[in-house]
Amino acid sequence: EAQVTQNPRYLITVTGKKLTVTCSQNMNHEYMSWYRQDPGLGLRQIYYSMNVEVTDKGDVPEGYKVSRKEKRNFPLILESPSPNQTSLYFCASSLVRTGFEKLFFGSGTQLSVL
Amino acid sequence: QKEVEQDPGPLSVPEGAIVSLNCTYSNSAFQYFMWYRQYSRKGPELLMYTYSSGNKEDGRFTAQVDKSSKYISLFIRDSQPSDSATYLCAMSAYSSASKIIFGSGTRLSIRP
Repeated sequence: EAQVTQNPRYLITVTGKKLTVTCSQNMNHEYMSWYRQDPGLGLRQIYYSMNVEVTDKGDVPEGYKVSRKEKRNFPLILESPSPNQTSLYFCASSLVRTGFEKLFFGSGTQLSVL
Repeated sequence: QKEVEQDPGPLSVPEGAIVSLNCTYSNSAFQYFMWYRQYSRKGPELLMYTYSSGNKEDGRFTAQVDKSSKYISLFIRDSQPSDSATYLCAMSAYSSASKIIFGSGTRLSIRP
C-alpha cells in the first residue's frame, strides 16, 4: 500500500531532551516536507526537501533540523525541544513533475514538550 | 493579514443539507486552488483541486474559484455523516508542492 509512515504517533518529552520523529514513504517520491499544525494557524511548513541531500527552510524552521540521506526517509530532529514546539506534526511527500503536485500526508505525530 | 483566511467553524448541519465552505485570499498570483479533507487523528488528503478560475465537479462535491473576488468555495450536496471532518483550503502560485499555503481549516459536523 502506498503510504507515508510517521513514528511515533504520540510523544511526550521534557524540555531540552533531543528527539527524532521519523518519516518514510514507499512511493519513490522526490519531494518530502514537514508541517506543524496548531489551532487557528493551520498547517505551516517547517522544512522541505526536493531530493536526496537537498533541503530548504520553510516558514517556521527555528528549533528544527532535517536530513535527507535516502530518498525514502526524511527525519525531523528537535535538538533541544521547548514547550512552544508542542504541536501536531505531519510529514508529506509528492512526486516532482510538470503540472500539479499532489501532497500525500502521514497520519501525524502529536508531540507534547513539558 | 494572513494570505489565506478560512472560518474555523465549527459548522453543524443536518444530514442531506447542502454545505458551503469558503476561503478568501490576498495574493493575486495564486493559480492552484485545493481542498484537503482531514478526518480526526488522520493526515489531510486531497479532495479536489482547480487551476485558475471556474468550477469543478466530482460527485457530490463542487469547487468554485472566483479570482476577481479572491474567493473560493467548496459545496457538498446531500451531505452524509461520513463527510464530518475538517476541510482545509490550500493555494499556490506554482505547481510545486513546496509553495502551498494552507488555510486554518473549517470543522464540519453532519448530524444524522
